[in-house]
Amino acid sequence: NAGVTQTPKFQVLKTGQSMTLQCAQDMNHNSMYWYRQDPGMGLRLIYYSASEGTTDKGEVPNGYNVSRLNKREFSLRLESAAPSQTSVYFCASSPAPGQGSDTQYFGPGTRLTVL
Amino acid sequence: GQQLNQSPQSMFIQEGEDVSMNCTSSSIFNTWLWYKQDPGEGPVLLIALYKAGELTSNGRLTAQFGITRKDSFLNISASIPSDVGIYFCAGQGAPGYSSASKIIFGSGTRLSIRP
Repeated sequence: NAGVTQTPKFQVLKTGQSMTLQCAQDMNHNSMYWYRQDPGMGLRLIYYSASEGTTDKGEVPNGYNVSRLNKREFSLRLESAAPSQTSVYFCASSPAPGQGSDTQYFGPGTRLTVL
Repeated sequence: GQQLNQSPQSMFIQEGEDVSMNCTSSSIFNTWLWYKQDPGEGPVLLIALYKAGELTSNGRLTAQFGITRKDSFLNISASIPSDVGIYFCAGQGAPGYSSASKIIFGSGTRLSIRP
């Protein structure tokens, strides 16, 4: 099992450009999450998907959209990138409720720079 | 909203020393989690705590769920070079949150080797 995979690993954008960060998990987990991590700060939740077909806003959703394409895949889209979105983005997944749903497994991250 | 204060922010250790760090919350948590993040990687779960007063070990690591349910502690005994990294606490709130809902992360404790 690969666990949680993310693509790309690195990306540089110009202000105003758009892009989609991809995430996939092969652990048959119900829930998936997108976080951003900025220097000296913990992880802040952008969006999450409790189950296939549902998405909800987290702490810092502005400037982002998400799609839960199927149970395996959860993508994060930046429609018009801004320098404030320069960060490391982590995708995570967790099992169904009652099966250790609070235990999240993280991908390796995508390092995004917006010029 | 709920916040976590993690301390210390950084610390230098000498190989063989014991290490302690803690996390406090402004409100009650039902679950406490401790993660470690190596450079260029996503966080990896070390210990999960589910009950007030619970003390759980994972090798040289020991974590405790505070009696007040507003704090947690992580101790590392006899530190070794591979302990270097960033340690994050995380908590999941009291009933009222959905099972797939928000886990709050502390800002991290950066562990370094003292030269």
